[in-house]
Amino acid sequence: RKEVEQDPGPFNVPEGATVAFNCTYSNSASQSFFWYRQDCRKEPKLLMSVYSSGNEDGRFTAQLNRASQYISLLIRDSKLSDSATYLCVLNTGRRALTFGSGTRLQVQP
Amino acid sequence: ETGVTQTPRHLVMGMTNKKSLKCEQHLGHNAMYWYKQSAKKPLELMFVYNFKEQTENNSVPSRFSPECPNSSHLFLHLHTLQPEDSALYLCASSQWESGGDNEQFFGPGTRLTVL
Repeated sequence: RKEVEQDPGPFNVPEGATVAFNCTYSNSASQSFFWYRQDCRKEPKLLMSVYSSGNEDGRFTAQLNRASQYISLLIRDSKLSDSATYLCVLNTGRRALTFGSGTRLQVQP
Repeated sequence: ETGVTQTPRHLVMGMTNKKSLKCEQHLGHNAMYWYKQSAKKPLELMFVYNFKEQTENNSVPSRFSPECPNSSHLFLHLHTLQPEDSALYLCASSQWESGGDNEQFFGPGTRLTVL
């Protein structure tokens, strides 16, 4: 079983739509959780950290369910500029991060 | 320069060549990383350096040899590579603190093609 599992997509949504991605992880010892964003042929960049209580940053809301070992990202009012690959990332306590393969989002006009 | 820089951005090499990838971070971080990103695969951690000391080698073949002369510079020396080593090689840095989240900042990557 992969350490981090994500639906690769692509998710094709119209501008203004709400879209949600889920991610499941296998290591219950995972300590920290993140969503990174990677544009085509670019490096990954941190989008937001994910906390157990849930957190919001503008149009983006992240949730963590430790009991079920899944993480979600909700994007409201999608913009064309949101088109990218969204990487679910976690830290199991090692001095490195474990990355999912990513979910590709394509927002269409 | 700011952030994390990598050179070269693109590299084509033969299987018998020797080349080196360079990474430099201008963020004052104490940890640096090499990752490999192949098509349709997740980023794979290769090496971790913390305060210039290698703390992790993720079962990487010996044809990849890292070097960290100081906390700002990281090299990846390449020799007798295989075509399947063609990938995007990403360098990252972070400020590692015990028990803390370590957001990693990535360089733009070196796209390597092995012929």
